[in-house]
Amino acid sequence: DADVTQTPRNRITKTGKRIMLECSQTKGHDRMYWYRQDPGLGLRLIYYSFDVKDINKGEISDGYSVSRQAQAKFSLSLESAIPNQTALYFCATSDATGSGTDTQYFGPGTRLTVL
Amino acid sequence: AQSVTQLDSQVPVFEEAPVELRCNYSSSVSVYLFWYVQYPNQGLQLLLKYLSGSTLVKGINGFEAEFNKSQTSFHLRKPSVHISDTAEYFCAVRNHNAGNMLTFGGGTRLMVKP
Repeated sequence: DADVTQTPRNRITKTGKRIMLECSQTKGHDRMYWYRQDPGLGLRLIYYSFDVKDINKGEISDGYSVSRQAQAKFSLSLESAIPNQTALYFCATSDATGSGTDTQYFGPGTRLTVL
Repeated sequence: AQSVTQLDSQVPVFEEAPVELRCNYSSSVSVYLFWYVQYPNQGLQLLLKYLSGSTLVKGINGFEAEFNKSQTSFHLRKPSVHISDTAEYFCAVRNHNAGNMLTFGGGTRLMVKP
């Protein structure tokens, strides 16, 4: 079984709808991240969480919110989806080494299309 | 602030030929450097990383990268590519003082042709 799973894998929705993307991990890591990938822009950080009670905004948090329900679960919500949120979304996890040398492990991604 | 530039958005190459994917970064402090690979319809996985020590880093699948501090570069190389190396490759940097935040380049699509 995959260590980092994301649901759904694909989603098509309409402008104005509320959408939740879910991420679960079995790696036992404390740190979790949400990124979006757009062609030519690489991955950009939306939100990150260093533990259940610690949630922080990333580079592009406007229009998004998150919830860390447990160490293993980190959800991303779009309260009112808009077309420019169409992208590939990745969840990632890492160990809490604090040294900056740790590796991030990525889920398979969720392809979201907002019409 | 830190940034990463991958100079080539696409690199076509024939099978068994050598390849170099270029990555330059900017940062006012010391950094850690990473290369990730994304195969079609999959998430990213780590190829290699430079933390300290030897500037030549060897990774999985025969890839290696060389850290050049004076040129602020971390180019990825493979002496002989396979069809299975067709993927998108991302260079990323983490500032020593920036918590755990990775900054990614825009990616380079490697297309290996038979």
